[in-house]
Amino acid sequence: NAGVTQTPKFQVLKTGQSMTLQCAQDMNHNSMYWYRQDPGMGLRLIYYSASEGTTDKGEVPNGYNVSRLNKREFSLRLESAAPSQTSVYFCASSGWERGTDTQYFGPGTRLTVL
Amino acid sequence: AQSVTQPDIHITVSEGASLELRCNYSYGATPYLFWYVQSPGQGLQLLLKYFSGDTLVQGIKGFEAEFKRSQSSFNLRKPSVHWSDAAEYFCAVGADGNDMRFGAGTRLTVKP
Repeated sequence: NAGVTQTPKFQVLKTGQSMTLQCAQDMNHNSMYWYRQDPGMGLRLIYYSASEGTTDKGEVPNGYNVSRLNKREFSLRLESAAPSQTSVYFCASSGWERGTDTQYFGPGTRLTVL
Repeated sequence: AQSVTQPDIHITVSEGASLELRCNYSYGATPYLFWYVQSPGQGLQLLLKYFSGDTLVQGIKGFEAEFKRSQSSFNLRKPSVHWSDAAEYFCAVGADGNDMRFGAGTRLTVKP
């Protein structure tokens, strides 16, 4: 049982390049999320998917797109990377456990945009 | 709108000493509260959570947290810190995953 997995672990892009971050979970969760983590700001929600086939914007969606490919996979795409998107990106999935919607996180992708 | 404040950016304690990390929240309804730990280069791991019932919650790795509604606080405690507890700790509030708010984190350093 791998939990939540993310690829790649590290990535360096030049301004204007595009890339897709991949995420998969094997916990049979309906909901999945993409966060970014910046120093001194905690985690901020970019996009989420409450179920297969649906996606919604979070707190900081500008410059990103997502695809919920199936129940297991949720990808995040940067169409034209900018230095402001340098961050650590976390994918999470959640399910109801003992009264709460509990999130489980992947190991993160550290992205640098030059 | 809900929010979380972790007043301490960085705390240093000696190994074997007790620990308390502070968390204050703002939430319109009955809060669902969480503490996560992040080791260097790792994702976030759930330590414990509160949603109702006993206001003193036990978690993994010997941690506990106490919900105090009158103070809007959910402080994390451990009686005796181990060197392996050095990490960053995040408090979060939210009823559903899509409205979770995380604090900025408290970095814990453990002195030998």
